[in-house]
Amino acid sequence: AQSVAQPEDQVNVAEGNPLTVKCTYSVSGNPYLFWYVQYPNRGLQFLLKYITGDNLVKGSYGFEAEFNKSQTSFHLKKPSALVSDSALYFCAVRNNMLTFGGGTRLMVKP
Amino acid sequence: DVKVTQSSRYLVKRTGEKVFLECVQDMDHENMFWYRQDPGLGLRLIYFSYDVKMKEKGDIPEGYSVSREKKERFSLILESASTNQTSMYLCASRNGLESSYEQYFGPGTRLTVT
Repeated sequence: AQSVAQPEDQVNVAEGNPLTVKCTYSVSGNPYLFWYVQYPNRGLQFLLKYITGDNLVKGSYGFEAEFNKSQTSFHLKKPSALVSDSALYFCAVRNNMLTFGGGTRLMVKP
Repeated sequence: DVKVTQSSRYLVKRTGEKVFLECVQDMDHENMFWYRQDPGLGLRLIYFSYDVKMKEKGDIPEGYSVSREKKERFSLILESASTNQTSMYLCASRNGLESSYEQYFGPGTRLTVT
């Protein structure tokens, strides 16, 4: 069975600082990995995905994620956080169906 | 742009009522999904559908049923609502191609059962 863990319920960062939202996964076979973002009172929006190829994946809004096979991780990163990045972030892995992590709330303070 | 719409943003129902949540997508997607979202638990799959009149149970189907009579519409039914079904419900759709990975989500329906 596949699973996703987001070890932090909340991440706090000051505007302009780099941010990292952590994700580890467990899946048999090659993983398809995703990050989604949910702004208040909105549905989930796709940010980026890793299917194959370069371990560093670039996505929307300046976000990127690094696939690390040996550590079974897919951490979301951004070099310089914005207050408008404050939202709920979900990591997901797809084998047959998508399995989501519990979500991490990112709070960026001015 | 893909558009997934859900019939209600907020819904309040009483225990024992039959509840219908409607989802419509406009991109001719074969696959449609219903999730519930609860704090700390992320999204959990209730049911999904590969095609019209096809349905498969997800991880937490108990207390729910679904209907897909038309390709663009996927309905979630709570036969007899209970307080533990108070949650945010999200619908999603996806192209049926194996190479298609991204799911598109609706805005969600926040259901409160009193």
